[in-house]
Amino acid sequence: DAGITQSPRHKVTETGTPVTLRCHQTENHRYMYWYRQDPGHGLRLIHYSYGVKDTDKGEVSDGYSVSRSKTEDFLLTLESATSSQTSVYFCATQQGQSYEQYFGPGTRLTVT
Amino acid sequence: AQSVTQPDIHITVSEGASLELRCNYSYGATPYLFWYVQSPGQGLQLLLKYFSGDTLVQGIKGFEAEFKRSQSSFNLRKPSVHWSDAAEYFCAVGAFGDYKLSFGAGTTVTVRA
Repeated sequence: DAGITQSPRHKVTETGTPVTLRCHQTENHRYMYWYRQDPGHGLRLIHYSYGVKDTDKGEVSDGYSVSRSKTEDFLLTLESATSSQTSVYFCATQQGQSYEQYFGPGTRLTVT
Repeated sequence: AQSVTQPDIHITVSEGASLELRCNYSYGATPYLFWYVQSPGQGLQLLLKYFSGDTLVQGIKGFEAEFKRSQSSFNLRKPSVHWSDAAEYFCAVGAFGDYKLSFGAGTTVTVRA
């Protein structure tokens, strides 16, 4: 398994507050991804990164921003959390040519 | 547009019985395909993958999947399920040269004794 950790693992926050989720990997994988998982939707891509400081939007990027200043860290920020952003968030990494993505344990975020 | 469909939201199967989970995709380019499994409260684990070559691929935990280009399908099978196979299963599809995946909505498998 790729060494992927996510922090925090659980968070409850109030509507309107900013929230940052962290993904840390020890495998030196080039690509990193943030997904959200909601019942009936599977996993939907929020943002992804193809290198340090290189990021792009996924299919559900509104209300989210990301940053990657180091290979090992990929941060997801909810600028002003809303109840619709209550979800389980997964980080994934990919080495490159293998196309296989490895997933972190997830962060359960509740926005009240 | 790319899409992945898992027609069965929930399947219940008896322990020891066979299991088949369906996955259909719509892709403009030649796809590569994965099946992932997610146990409750856990992240996703890769079960198997198809890139090219033999259309019947073997994975971990006794699972196999068959790629059928003519039917745009990549169905997952297991001859005899164990109680520990109770989980949610996701089909994922990507295109060569594009490092993003599209996931199906998932199929939840319940195993009864």
